[in-house]
Amino acid sequence: DAGVIQSPRHEVTEMGQEVTLRCKPISGHNSLFWYRQTMMRGLELLIYFNNNVPIDDSGMPEDRFSAKMPNASFSTLKIQPSEPRDSAVYFCASSFWVSLNQPQHFGDGTRLSIL
Amino acid sequence: DQQVKQNSPSLSVQEGRISILNCDYTNSMFDYFLWYKKYPAEGPTFLISISSIKDKNEDGRFTVFLNKSAKHLSLHIVPSQPGDSAVYFCAAVRLYGGSQGNLIFGKGTKLSVKP
Repeated sequence: DAGVIQSPRHEVTEMGQEVTLRCKPISGHNSLFWYRQTMMRGLELLIYFNNNVPIDDSGMPEDRFSAKMPNASFSTLKIQPSEPRDSAVYFCASSFWVSLNQPQHFGDGTRLSIL
Repeated sequence: DQQVKQNSPSLSVQEGRISILNCDYTNSMFDYFLWYKKYPAEGPTFLISISSIKDKNEDGRFTVFLNKSAKHLSLHIVPSQPGDSAVYFCAAVRLYGGSQGNLIFGKGTKLSVKP
C-alpha cells in the first residue's frame, strides 16, 4: 500500500525562483497537511485541507507561500519568489479526519535549498 | 511561545535498558497527545497516542504516561533496542467541530541506543 508520496525529494534553486512542491496523499484520506521543519522552529504546520478545502492557513509564513488541492489525490505548495530563509525540509501528511485512531501519515519530505 | 516542549535534545541509553523521553505542554485544552518517531531522510511515523482523559497507554515495548496536573507526559521504551535510535517527537492536538485539529509538535529528542 503506497504511503504519502512527495516530489521532488531534493530541490536546489536560486533565490527569486518559483518553487513547487508536490504531494499525493494516501488514497481515501480526506485531510492533507503541509509542514515545514527547521532547526530553529522544529516541525510547524503551514496549512491543512479537509475534503480539498483549506481549513487553516494561519501557519503560512507570507504571501509568497500558497497551497492548492485541486482534487483528493494531489496538492501543491508553491513559493514565489523563493528566499534563502525558505530553506527547510517540507513534509506533507494525510489522514482520515474523523478519528485520532487514524493518525497522520507523513511523506519522506522535500529538502529545499535556496541559494 | 512553544506550547509543546521537549527539553532534552538528546538521550543516550544502553541496549536492554529503559529509555524515558519527556514532554511538557502549556495548553490545558489539548485533547490528545501523540508520539512520532523519525529516522534520517524519512518522514515521522506514528508510534503511540493517549487521550487526555487517560493516564497511561501501553503498546508492546512502548508506554506513554500522562500527568495532567503537571502538564507532563513521558514515553517509556522497555527494553531499548538499537533500532529504536531515532528522533522522537511529542505532539498535542485539540479537537474541535469533530475534526482533527492541528498537531503541535515539540522540537524532538534524539535517542541513541548503544549495543
